[in-house]
Amino acid sequence: QQPVQSPQAVILREGEDAVINCSSSKALYSVHWYRQKHGEAPVFLMILLKGGEQKGHDKISASFNEKKQQSSLYLTASQLSYSGTYFCGSSGGSYIPTFGRGTSLIVHP
Amino acid sequence: DAGVIQSPRHEVTEMGQEVTLRCKPISGHDYLFWYRQTMMRGLELLIYFNNNVPIDDSGMPEDRFSAKMPNASFSTLKIQPSEPRDSAVYFCASSRDTYEQYFGPGTRLTVT
Repeated sequence: QQPVQSPQAVILREGEDAVINCSSSKALYSVHWYRQKHGEAPVFLMILLKGGEQKGHDKISASFNEKKQQSSLYLTASQLSYSGTYFCGSSGGSYIPTFGRGTSLIVHP
Repeated sequence: DAGVIQSPRHEVTEMGQEVTLRCKPISGHDYLFWYRQTMMRGLELLIYFNNNVPIDDSGMPEDRFSAKMPNASFSTLKIQPSEPRDSAVYFCASSRDTYEQYFGPGTRLTVT
C-alpha cells in the first residue's frame, strides 16, 4: 500500500525552509527518499532504518518515527536546485520501497 | 561506470503491437527493478530480480506483461499486445543491495 505524502505541492522562495511528510498505514522497517527533476530519473537522497535516526544530506535531512509510522524530510535554506518532485518509499522487511505519489517542490529566485 | 542503460529512450507504437524494453544494469549490482510511472498512478514497481531470478512480480498488471533477465547484464520488459493505457515512462533501476537504487533514464512509451 502506498504511503501518503503531504503536502502535494510546495512553492518557496530561495532561502526558505520546507517540510515534506510521509505516513504509512503499515509497520515500517525503512523509509527511502528520492528526488526527481522534470524529465529525469529519480535520484536517491537517503534511507532511514528502524531506530528513529535522523539522517542528513547537505541541507536536506530527514527523521523517521517508526511508532507513528511517519517520516519527514526537511529542506533548509532552499536552493533553486532543490526544485523537483520528492518521493518517499516505505518498506517492510525486504527493504524494497513502495513509493508515494510525490510532492512537487518549486523554488523561485 | 556508465550507469543504468535503457533502450529505446522513446517508443511510439500502435495498439496490438509487441513492445520490448531493454535494460543494462550497473555492473556488480545484484538487484534489478522495473517501474512504470504515470501521472495517475505515480511510480509503481512492476517486478524485481535478485541474481537474475524474479523475486516479486505482483506489480505486473496483466499477463500481457512479461520480464526476463537471462544474465547479470541484461533484462527485458515485454508488452504483448500493447494497449493505449500502457503509455507511460518505464524505468529500470539496479542496486547492490536494496537500499540505494540507481535509475536509468527511462523509456517513454506511447501506444496509439
